Amino acid sequence: ETGVTQTPRHLVMGMTNKKSLKCEQHLGHNAMYWYKQSAKKPLELMFVYNFKEQTENNSVPSRFSPECPNSSHLFLHLHTLQPEDSALYLCASSQGDVGYEQFFGPGTRLTVL
Amino acid sequence: QKEVEQDPGPLSVPEGAIVSLNCTYSNSAFQYFMWYRQYSRKGPELLMYTYSSGNKEDGRFTAQVDKSSKYISLFIRDSQPSDSATYLCALGGYNKLIFGAGTRLAVHP
Repeated sequence: ETGVTQTPRHLVMGMTNKKSLKCEQHLGHNAMYWYKQSAKKPLELMFVYNFKEQTENNSVPSRFSPECPNSSHLFLHLHTLQPEDSALYLCASSQGDVGYEQFFGPGTRLTVL
Repeated sequence: QKEVEQDPGPLSVPEGAIVSLNCTYSNSAFQYFMWYRQYSRKGPELLMYTYSSGNKEDGRFTAQVDKSSKYISLFIRDSQPSDSATYLCALGGYNKLIFGAGTRLAVHP
């Protein structure tokens, strides 16, 4: 595996379900990010982890819960989501304290029924 | 006022045309300027990365930054159908990376 991988690629869940998204980076980077991408809107930064420590939480509702067990893996735990949470969820990684050059995974297309 | 403005398009051009994609921004603190390309059902991939004002060329792609006007551009020469994608500008500064909404480009044979 190379680059940034994400699983699953597609997920359909009901509002009462609990699910998790997984991201893995094979680039040796120290920072990882979760973004939400909705149609015709800019990428919305959700969470930032640097050396496994959360450095940013961009006012994300508590129904989204991130976990970063090490610098290569990042999870997004989902519970009691709303239909408006349906979007493409992208994981990215970068090197250095301030990662402007970010490398993205293919995303998880989430549909909340 | 949005921090980054980008025309969403869609932009439709014939193969071989020169394409110009643009973003404007409001905060002069941005120092890093990037263009990402995103194909349908894929994540964004970094296409061009510049730090300073001026031009940077990579094959058929040229990134142009005008800090005085707060205006960045991406030019694609001899456009190909494989260039059909959404192009996102991204601006970095003060520990943040801000994306434009993206411009959808279609190059038809």
